[in-house]
Amino acid sequence: DAMVIQNPRYQVTQFGKPVTLSCSQTLNHNVMYWYQQKSSQAPKLLFHYYDKDFNNEADTPDNFQSRRPNTSFCFLDIRSPGLGDAAMYLCATSSLDIQETQYFGPGTRLLVL
Amino acid sequence: DQQVKQNSPSLSVQEGRISILNCDYTNSMFDYFLWYKKYPAEGPTFLISISSIKDKNEDGRFTVFLNKSAKHLSLHIVPSQPGDSAVYFCAATENAGGTSYGKLTFGQGTILTVHP
Repeated sequence: DAMVIQNPRYQVTQFGKPVTLSCSQTLNHNVMYWYQQKSSQAPKLLFHYYDKDFNNEADTPDNFQSRRPNTSFCFLDIRSPGLGDAAMYLCATSSLDIQETQYFGPGTRLLVL
Repeated sequence: DQQVKQNSPSLSVQEGRISILNCDYTNSMFDYFLWYKKYPAEGPTFLISISSIKDKNEDGRFTVFLNKSAKHLSLHIVPSQPGDSAVYFCAATENAGGTSYGKLTFGQGTILTVHP
């Protein structure tokens, strides 16, 4: 089945220690997104890739970076995690012609100690 | 500034009855609206959508209603089933189908519980 896969499902890191979350997809979609969802809040878009073009949301902290080495993979790097970065991180994909319908992975829950 | 709001954190309904989930938005530029459903330990999955040129869209047991003047949309599930128990997110976007990317603005979600 075509899908969006996120690894790991749970990630524990220490305050200030860089961490990388990964996302892969078998849907061959051109667009990939990273969302942050804190407890009982709405998912919030951090950035997206339109093919290899990176688009950062204006209010995404510089602490968050992303890489997309190829169509299938996308990474979220948190350079110096703070306690406030503990959240669920959701990866999503969409095709170019129906960008509004996004396919989500199961998410990675990040805990910062 | 939360542009999409789901004011009911939770809703409990008896199996077979109607579930009505509500969503309000403030951005008049939104022109496409979606509902996503999320089960525990899974990502949100697309459920149903509606364009701003319509006021109703139906798909089986699911119907979405849009009231543009009130900036309000609702999702009706009839009849409700225990398997519908999940978190439901309302989402909106502007310039749907245009050259902009599909930036979705989500509500906080409503937890629906359908009791047998």
